[in-house]
Amino acid sequence: EAGVAQSPRYKIIEKRQSVAFWCNPISGHATLYWYQQILGQGPKLLIQFQNNGVVDDSQLPKDRFSAERLKGVDSTLKIQPAKLEDSAVYLCASSSLWQGRSGNTIYFGEGSWLTVV
Amino acid sequence: KQEVTQIPAALSVPEGENLVLNCSFTDSAIYNLQWFRQDPGKGLTSLLLIQSSQREQTSGRLNASLDKSSGRSTLYIAASQPGDSATYLCAVWWGKLQFGAGTQVVVTP
Repeated sequence: EAGVAQSPRYKIIEKRQSVAFWCNPISGHATLYWYQQILGQGPKLLIQFQNNGVVDDSQLPKDRFSAERLKGVDSTLKIQPAKLEDSAVYLCASSSLWQGRSGNTIYFGEGSWLTVV
Repeated sequence: KQEVTQIPAALSVPEGENLVLNCSFTDSAIYNLQWFRQDPGKGLTSLLLIQSSQREQTSGRLNASLDKSSGRSTLYIAASQPGDSATYLCAVWWGKLQFGAGTQVVVTP
């Protein structure tokens, strides 16, 4: 079974530039998550999708971050304009619908590492 | 406020010694608690999941306990090996997954 795919793996941009990250979840997984992990901290949920609808985006800085999940499969996370404090790893994860509700078996991708200079 | 805390932030043990990793959480009304492993430059791998009705879960050399009343979970790794070196994260599901900052473990040969 293929895992959660993310790209690009690494990105260096200047502040005020924009960047986009792509995620392809495990086939058949209805729930998709984007987490931000700053060095030395645990991951923080940015946004959760159930199929192509947003379930939770309470911690997404909506003035600069946006995410979409067209057709309930792939997802894109965009940052525009980037700030220095956005330097982090952006982790995508997925789980099946019912497992997602109970928190069971969530699968993570390897992450997209962003450095803002 | 729902928070997850892991102490210590880092731990170094000689090979063969048992590892004990601690996790505490502020709100006992949890759905479940999970332990993850994160290797440098990699994503997270789920190790064990304990449902709120359970007291412990075991997988090979790993054993995790859960005490909701005291807001604590402990991950035990028996007979540690250098390959166990990684960061271990505890996460609690309160409707969404809330992570601790992790404990970085180094097992020296």
